[in-house]
Amino acid sequence: EPEVTQTPSHQVTQMGQEVILRCVPISNHLYFYWYRQILGQKVEFLVSFYNNEISEKSEIFDDQFSVERPDGSNFTLKIRSTKLEDSAMYFCASSGSTGELFFGEGSRLTVL
Amino acid sequence: AQSVTQLGSHVSVSEGALVLLRCNYSSSVPPYLFWYVQYPNQGLQLLLKYTSAATLVKGINGFEAEFKKSETSFHLTKPSAHMSDAAEYFCAVSPGGYNKLIFGAGTRLAVHP
Repeated sequence: EPEVTQTPSHQVTQMGQEVILRCVPISNHLYFYWYRQILGQKVEFLVSFYNNEISEKSEIFDDQFSVERPDGSNFTLKIRSTKLEDSAMYFCASSGSTGELFFGEGSRLTVL
Repeated sequence: AQSVTQLGSHVSVSEGALVLLRCNYSSSVPPYLFWYVQYPNQGLQLLLKYTSAATLVKGINGFEAEFKKSETSFHLTKPSAHMSDAAEYFCAVSPGGYNKLIFGAGTRLAVHP
């Protein structure tokens, strides 16, 4: 069964460092998303991406964040100059013609 | 604006007992509603969805939910809990379609023998 895959599963970084989280969406999907879940809190929408551009973003998704689809298969989330409060589980999702979102297993980011 | 409220951050039931997880939503447009399950160290898996068709929706693993517009609710039920149902359950709303999902805070379900 097709699935969304995310790497790394866990990353530990120092405050101020840049982090890139990678996602491989389901191959025929056209819509891509990033969500995050701070420990003990709800899952929050960050950004949606379609046709090589951001279609919607939340207030959380400020200039510190960027997304890219560099090679037609990967979908990346870059976090510049990480802060302690960026520690969270980051979920990638993709959707196709049915519109249903399929989520990856998440990348846990720990900022020290 | 859309929002979701899940009543009860923790619910504990006995194996074989009824499971009832509550979800109320707020939406300015006809919503799509979803229940997702998250097992430990795993991603979010879709249990079921309401997309303006039948108000009683059946999902995987014996779960079902009923959309009640008058009560703005979409409660999740299962007649008989199984130990394997222990997980965190998230209700989500999407305004008038898919794409951006607004999640509730989640309810952790514990099932004891």
